[in-house]
Amino acid sequence: QVQLQESGPGLAKPSQTLSLTCTVSGGSISRGHYYWSWVRQPAGKGLEWIGRIFSDGSTNYNPSLMSRLTISLDTSKNQFSLKLTSVSASDTAVYYCARWTGRTFDFWGRGTLVTVSS
Amino acid sequence: QSVLTQPPSVSGTPGQRVTISCSGSSSNIGKYIVSWYQQFPGAAPQLLLYTNNEGPSGVPDRFSGSKSGTSASLAISGLQSQDEGDYYCAAWDDSLNGPVFGGGTKLTVL
Repeated sequence: QVQLQESGPGLAKPSQTLSLTCTVSGGSISRGHYYWSWVRQPAGKGLEWIGRIFSDGSTNYNPSLMSRLTISLDTSKNQFSLKLTSVSASDTAVYYCARWTGRTFDFWGRGTLVTVSS
Repeated sequence: QSVLTQPPSVSGTPGQRVTISCSGSSSNIGKYIVSWYQQFPGAAPQLLLYTNNEGPSGVPDRFSGSKSGTSASLAISGLQSQDEGDYYCAAWDDSLNGPVFGGGTKLTVL
């Protein structure tokens, strides 16, 4: 059973960089045709796809975040990471990492709350 | 504003059948499979099912999905109190070049 776990600071200051890591267990992120993804959810609101990375390192980003976003892969640690620069209060959300099969998000992390505040 | 449109809320009494609709366009639901996610308060979304009612083992067959054109729906029969939660639809979108979600529907069991 694949498991995902987000980690990173729960607080980021406005204009600074939000950094999160997702550790995958129960399967290698460098095998299979899966896209390792980030999804966020502001409090009381719906889900928003942030971006994804394939095992070969190729990425796809939500155009609304593309200019501030980097998703990277560390196959040696079976992890992938998110960096979002120049954050503001509107980036406050629960951030989930999830596995996209090409059809569905079949496994999700528990999520981590990131608050942007000075 | 979400790309896929869902009703904000639906409700029903135990044992009833309810449906949750999800409306999209030719760039998403019209071309690609629709998946449904269940989310309980304070928890992560979980895959419930996707087109042709495929899904993880353990999902009761009280849950079923369908799609027609650019719309999809999730039906829950024999409603139970533990079904209360939020439900989201999702599909790949050519315009975004990524998956899009509905705004979510809160199911209340009266």
